Amino acid sequence: EIVLTQSPGTLSLSPGERATLSCRASQSVSTTYLAWYQQQPGQAPRLLIFGTSRRATGIPDRFSGSGSGTDFTLTISRLEPEDFAVYYCQQYGGSRLTFGGGTKVEIK
Amino acid sequence: QLQLQESGPGLMKPSETLSLTCTVSGDSIRSRSYYWGWIRQPPGKGLEWIGYIYYSGSTYYNPSLKSRVTISVDTSKNQFSLRLNSVTAADTAVYYCARVNYGLVYFDYWGQGTLVTVSS
Repeated sequence: EIVLTQSPGTLSLSPGERATLSCRASQSVSTTYLAWYQQQPGQAPRLLIFGTSRRATGIPDRFSGSGSGTDFTLTISRLEPEDFAVYYCQQYGGSRLTFGGGTKVEIK
Repeated sequence: QLQLQESGPGLMKPSETLSLTCTVSGDSIRSRSYYWGWIRQPPGKGLEWIGYIYYSGSTYYNPSLKSRVTISVDTSKNQFSLRLNSVTAADTAVYYCARVNYGLVYFDYWGQGTLVTVSS
């Protein structure tokens, strides 16, 4: 099973700042099968990015994804108030699917 | 507009069988472009994939839950279901159903989730 480790666990930033979230895999992950989700308190997760760097429908361009192999990154270029939430990465490989433990982006 | 809605009991006792149904509206569960899946989230914790099913009935399960899980599909009702046997307190979680992209295997639409509590 591929384990995804997200860091940092919590990111404290101010609105307008840049957020860089890391997702590291225990084995190489195909860029085709790496996705990111945002979860607000009390809500279901929302798809942000799929295929490492492709934004889902309706996702603002301040969200971007990059990476390859075992290291993937979600970047939020300028934090808006609604971006403070928990973010999860997810991979699929070998008929198995796993999520990272999440990064909470909180207001500093 | 695609919508998914989970339904089922909110409170269960240990050793019982959890049964949840997801009703899909706005899309056909017979679509060849998607799987239909279940994910859960214990209170205050992260997401755990349970499994997913294709309209044909092919299933794919998390190995850690495989011995206790059955996912089925009812195309006539545009629904799919989850059964989890022999529940314990560790199965207490919000259970989400979601649509899964067939080719790239990501969850693009989610239900609102339903809290299932296992307690004696």
